[in-house]
Amino acid sequence: AQKVTQAQTEISVVEKEDVTLDCVYETRDTTYYLFWYKQPPSGELVFLIRRNSFDEQNEISGRYSWNFQKSTSSFNFTITASQVVDSAVYFCALSEATTGNQFYFGTGTSLTVIP
Amino acid sequence: EPEVTQTPSHQVTQMGQEVILRCVPISNHLYFYWYRQILGQKVEFLVSFYNNEISEKSEIFDDQFSVERPDGSNFTLKIRSTKLEDSAMYFCASSQQGVANEKLFFGSGTQLSVL
Repeated sequence: AQKVTQAQTEISVVEKEDVTLDCVYETRDTTYYLFWYKQPPSGELVFLIRRNSFDEQNEISGRYSWNFQKSTSSFNFTITASQVVDSAVYFCALSEATTGNQFYFGTGTSLTVIP
Repeated sequence: EPEVTQTPSHQVTQMGQEVILRCVPISNHLYFYWYRQILGQKVEFLVSFYNNEISEKSEIFDDQFSVERPDGSNFTLKIRSTKLEDSAMYFCASSQQGVANEKLFFGSGTQLSVL
């Protein structure tokens, strides 16, 4: 079974539109951590955010915001007023206290922001 | 910010040949990882390494794979006899403490093409 599901394979938006990238996870651990990484065209994986399972507060960082809902096992990522530089593949990932630092990644969502 | 560096960025090899992918983790990190991403698929965990030993490995990491820290700075992944299905982007990562809530620092990847 997939531990992390990103159902949206590709999304295209016009610059300045808002866009939400979905992430649904599955775990039996009560202590776990969720991450979002960005993979720009240059290829590296860039850390964006980490949340732990005990903290359901939503987080905002500039144009980025994250909505963590344990009731639906989701950790969605919204980009407000998208820009061309946001074009990248975005990965959601899960790590579990019982498996340490092993990350389970989703298949990624490729976001294209059209000028 | 400190970086994980990987060389080469691209590697082309013939099926059955041995390849060595190289990584220089962040200098004060103690835990090292290899992940791979087959084109269009999710990023998958291969192996974690600490204190000159493999600490965890996935089913993908069979006898054809090996890892080594030959000196104080490099961390290598060797594939003894490459197969077509080994074609993928290979990411090296490192972390300080190796715990579940710690972000991983990833390199830019090595794109391996097996012909």
